[in-house]
Formats: sequence, C-alpha cells, structure tokens
Amino acid sequence: AQKITQTQPGMFVQEKEAVTLDCTYDTSDPSYGLFWYKQPSSGEMIFLIYQGSYDQQNATEGRYSLNFQKARKSANLVISASQLGDSAMYFCAMRAPNSNSGYALNFGKGTSLLVTP
Amino acid sequence: DSGVTQTPKHLITATGQRVTLRCSPRSGDLSVYWYQQSLDQGLQFLIQYYNGEERAKGNILERFSAQQFPDLHSELNLSSLELGDSALYFCASSGAGWAQYFGPGTRLLVL
Repeated sequence: AQKITQTQPGMFVQEKEAVTLDCTYDTSDPSYGLFWYKQPSSGEMIFLIYQGSYDQQNATEGRYSLNFQKARKSANLVISASQLGDSAMYFCAMRAPNSNSGYALNFGKGTSLLVTP
Repeated sequence: DSGVTQTPKHLITATGQRVTLRCSPRSGDLSVYWYQQSLDQGLQFLIQYYNGEERAKGNILERFSAQQFPDLHSELNLSSLELGDSALYFCASSGAGWAQYFGPGTRLLVL
C-alpha cells in the first residue's frame, strides 16, 4: 500500500529563515513521483515542486527545494528565506501507478507553517 | 492561476438534495481528477477521467457520479446529500507531465 507521512502537524519559522518540512513515503513501486502543494487560508491548492523517483538531482523551484533521500524514503521540502506569505498548510503527495486508483495523488495529512515577523 | 476553473465557488444546500459541480481543465489537459477534502478524512481521491473515459476510482460513494464531456469539461454529481458530505471538492487536471494542477475548489455546505 502507498502511504505518505507528515509527522509535523505545525511549525513556526521566523521571517528570512529557512525551514524544512518532513515527508516520508512508502511504496513498493520503483516508478513514482513526489509532490508538494501549498494550501493558503483561501483554500486553493498550489503546486510547488515535483521529484521523480529516477531523477538523479534534487528538484528546485525558486525558494523551494526538495531534499530527496531515496534509501530513506524521504522527500523533505526546504523553503529558504521564508516570507510572511509562506504561512499556509503544506501537503506532501505521491503518485504511483495503482491498479485501483490509476495515477491519482495520495496525500499526507499536511503541516501547518506559520512564518513570524 | 492554475488554469483550471471550477464553479460554483460556494454551494449551500439541504440534506437529501442533489448538486452538480463543474470543472474545466487546463487547455490541452486530457485527464481530470476529482478530490474531496474534509477535516476528518483529509484529501481523498474520488475519480479520474481521461479523454471522456473513466480511468480510475477511489473512495467515491455510490451516491456520487461524474462524467467528462467531449469538450473535456467534467461534472461531479452528488445526490441524496448528507451532512457528512460537506467538504471542499477539488478538480485537478494533468497533461503529459506528472504534475496535477488544481482548481480553486467548490466549498459545499449541507445543512
């Protein structure tokens, strides 16, 4: 079974500091994708970053980077130089082929991040 | 803006009623996914369509159904509504790549 675990229900970080949001996953499929989404209080789900299981390098998108450690089955999101607008809920998700759910995303429970001045 | 549109943004209805949620995917995307987000269940996959055909099913109740039309927009029909169906319903679309882009969601409140 595929499973995504986010162990940090909530986190604080000071503005301009870096923060790491943890995500571990479990799958027996060798081909999979890992995603991070941001959900501000307004409710929309914003795609941040993607890492494929065969990608050799860690993904980066602006201030976001994904620390992918395949052997440890972890895909932590690093946000550098935090901004007040980064305060939101962050979801880790995995996509792996599944006979029942096709290529649907399987989400973790999320981490609530609060950036303080 | 993800390019995925959903209507309506908010919906308030009564138990036992039926509602239809609408989604238009990003231009060129053939796959449409529906997800439900509730406080107790988190984000759950409901159903996927690809180019008009049902591709995969998740935790979708029998009271719920969906379809994708030739112009690729999709509709999610929820019937015999219960209080527990109150949730945020998302549509997402994807193309050749693996990323799924979400619409702004429809917030459903069943009274």
